[in-house]
Amino acid sequence: DTGVSQDPRHKITKRGQNVTFRCDPISEHNRLYWYRQTLGQGPEFLTYFQNEAQLEKSRLLSDRFSAERPKGSFSTLEIQRTEQGDSAMYLCASSGDRERSEQYFGPGTRLTVT
Amino acid sequence: AQTVTQSQPEMSVQEAETVTLSCTYDTSESNYYLFWYKQPPSRQMILVIRQEAYKQQNATENRFSVNFQKAAKSFSLKISDSQLGDTAMYFCAFMKDSNYQLIWGAGTKLIIKP
Repeated sequence: DTGVSQDPRHKITKRGQNVTFRCDPISEHNRLYWYRQTLGQGPEFLTYFQNEAQLEKSRLLSDRFSAERPKGSFSTLEIQRTEQGDSAMYLCASSGDRERSEQYFGPGTRLTVT
Repeated sequence: AQTVTQSQPEMSVQEAETVTLSCTYDTSESNYYLFWYKQPPSRQMILVIRQEAYKQQNATENRFSVNFQKAAKSFSLKISDSQLGDTAMYFCAFMKDSNYQLIWGAGTKLIIKP
C-alpha cells in the first residue's frame, strides 16, 4: 500500500504528558499537511511543509505544538503538556507536483487526553 | 477570510435515489479550487471531486457531479443512483490558488437506506 500512513492510530494520554505522532506521505509527494478534526466538525489546517521547509503555520498551532519534516520525507507532530482540549483526530495529507491541489489523507491519529 | 458553509447537517435517502448536498462559500479570490471529500465511518478522508474556479464546465466523476455557480458562490454535489457505500460524512472544502490550505465546511452526514 503506497498511501499516506500515520502512527499510532490511537493514543490515550494523561493531561500534561507529551505525545508525538508520525506521518509517512505518499513517496513521490513533496508537500505534507497536518489538520486537526474535532468530533462532528470539519478539519482545521495546522501546518504545511514543502520538502523539509515548514511554509505555513496556523495560529491554532500554539507554542505547545511543533512539527518537523527533517529529511523531506516523514513528518512528526509533537504536542507538549497536553490539555483535554487537544483531544481530536490529527490528520496528515500529502500532495505532489503533478496535481498540487489534490491532497490525499491518511487514516488519522485519534488523541484522547484524560 | 474564506468561509465554507454546509447548511444540511444530515440527509437521508433511499438506495438508488439521487441526492444533492449544498455548499456555499465566501471569498474575494478569483482563482481557487473547490472540493468534495467523503469520510466514511471510522475511515479516512477520500477526495470525491474537484472543481477549478476558472473552469465553467461542471466537474463529473462517474455518479458524482457538481453544480458550480461562481457568481452565487455555490458548489453543490449531486450523487446519482445512490449506493449503500455512499453513506458517509461529506465535506465541502475551499483552497486558494496561492496556498495549499484547505478550508472546510462542517460537513453533511449522508445516510443511504436500503
